[in-house]
Amino acid sequence: KAGVTQTPRYLIKTRGQQVTLSCSPISGHRSVSWYQQTPGQGLQFLFEYFSETQRNKGNFPGRFSGRQFSNSRSEMNVSTLELGDSALYLCASSPRTGGAYNEQFFGPGTRLTVL
Amino acid sequence: QQQVKQSPQSLIVQKGGISIINCAYENTAFDYFPWYQQFPGKGPALLIAIRPDVSEKKEGRFTISFNKSAKQFSLHIMDSQPGDSATYFCAGNNAGNMLTFGGGTRLMVKP
Repeated sequence: KAGVTQTPRYLIKTRGQQVTLSCSPISGHRSVSWYQQTPGQGLQFLFEYFSETQRNKGNFPGRFSGRQFSNSRSEMNVSTLELGDSALYLCASSPRTGGAYNEQFFGPGTRLTVL
Repeated sequence: QQQVKQSPQSLIVQKGGISIINCAYENTAFDYFPWYQQFPGKGPALLIAIRPDVSEKKEGRFTISFNKSAKQFSLHIMDSQPGDSATYFCAGNNAGNMLTFGGGTRLMVKP
């Protein structure tokens, strides 16, 4: 089975711009979660999508948003970029059956640099 | 608010030695505690995980010890190898697929 794929792998933007990142989960997985990883704050949960609906949301401003498509692929968008948004954005895929926790499998991440 | 505290931040172990990483959590709603291993330039990879109704779980050289009353758990890596050199993260899960991670431990195993 192919793993989680994220595109693009690297991205450079300037302050004020917006960016869209894409994630394709493992085939058959219906849950996609997004995390931000920075040296200062570590790994932080952004949000989870399951069956095209946002199920959980972390403590991030409204500039961070996401969506999920019917094929379970997900995108996250960051508007009005700030220097502090520079981070590795990770997507995690999970079967998410029965509402209980299922193992999450991470993609390689998208490295976003905001200048 | 850091709900999972991980220590030490860095660890150097000789080849063949035991690596021990500790985590303490605050949220009693956590229902699942995974450990992830991350190599530079890669995403975290699930290593081993435990549920709070179990006190110990072993998979190969990796063992999780869990103390529910103390709200602490630890990862033991037996016979540590240079290939184990990576950053390790503990985490707690609640409300479905929402992981709260510890700050990470950078492990270096010297040959």
